[in-house]
Amino acid sequence: KNQVEQSPQSLIILEGKNCTLQCNYTVSPFSNLRWYKQDTGRGPVSLTIMTFSENTKSNGRYTATLDADTKQSSLHITASQLSDSASYICVVSSIKAAGNKLTFGGGTRVLVKP
Amino acid sequence: GAVVSQHPSRVICKSGTSVKIECRSLDFQATTMFWYRQFPKQSLMLMATSNEGSKATYEQGVEKDKFLINHASLTLSTLTVTSAHPEDSSFYICSARGISGDFYEQYFGPGTRLTVT
Repeated sequence: KNQVEQSPQSLIILEGKNCTLQCNYTVSPFSNLRWYKQDTGRGPVSLTIMTFSENTKSNGRYTATLDADTKQSSLHITASQLSDSASYICVVSSIKAAGNKLTFGGGTRVLVKP
Repeated sequence: GAVVSQHPSRVICKSGTSVKIECRSLDFQATTMFWYRQFPKQSLMLMATSNEGSKATYEQGVEKDKFLINHASLTLSTLTVTSAHPEDSSFYICSARGISGDFYEQYFGPGTRLTVT
């Protein structure tokens, strides 16, 4: 069964500090891995997307890593800002005959405090 | 580019009534749209996949007669919650599939908060 697990479920960090979110997956066949940011009461917004051959990808203060061998990914937030308070969702895409199918992780809720 | 809108953003309805939610891809054509439901502090759960001009494919456990999906054009899909009950109260999010570079990307709408009283 395809699964995506994220940790921690939630975390609180002080403004200006860094943090790292984890994502482990068992999805086959693997197509790509995405990180989304979801503000409360809003739809998810894509941060990064990585294929099997990519180890790291950055989007501003967000840096995602992927280890396809161990099936792990991380999202690192540098110099956090209050606006980073949101849920971060790891999503893995698998290749199906009818098109890509997404498997969602449970998300990590990040709260940045001043 | 790649903007997906939903209407309404919030709706409150009485138990037993029906509610229609619209999902539009504003600047691209989407042959495939998806409908998700999200309960508080949980991740998105796929309800159904909607292909333009054909019947929607529902996920296991989702009642097709209760959640009616219509995808009549390449830019519009609608979800109608029929005979709504309080347990249908949730955050409903649609997404539309488009092409971004080498990938099929899913662009998510802003969501619709449904409250059934």
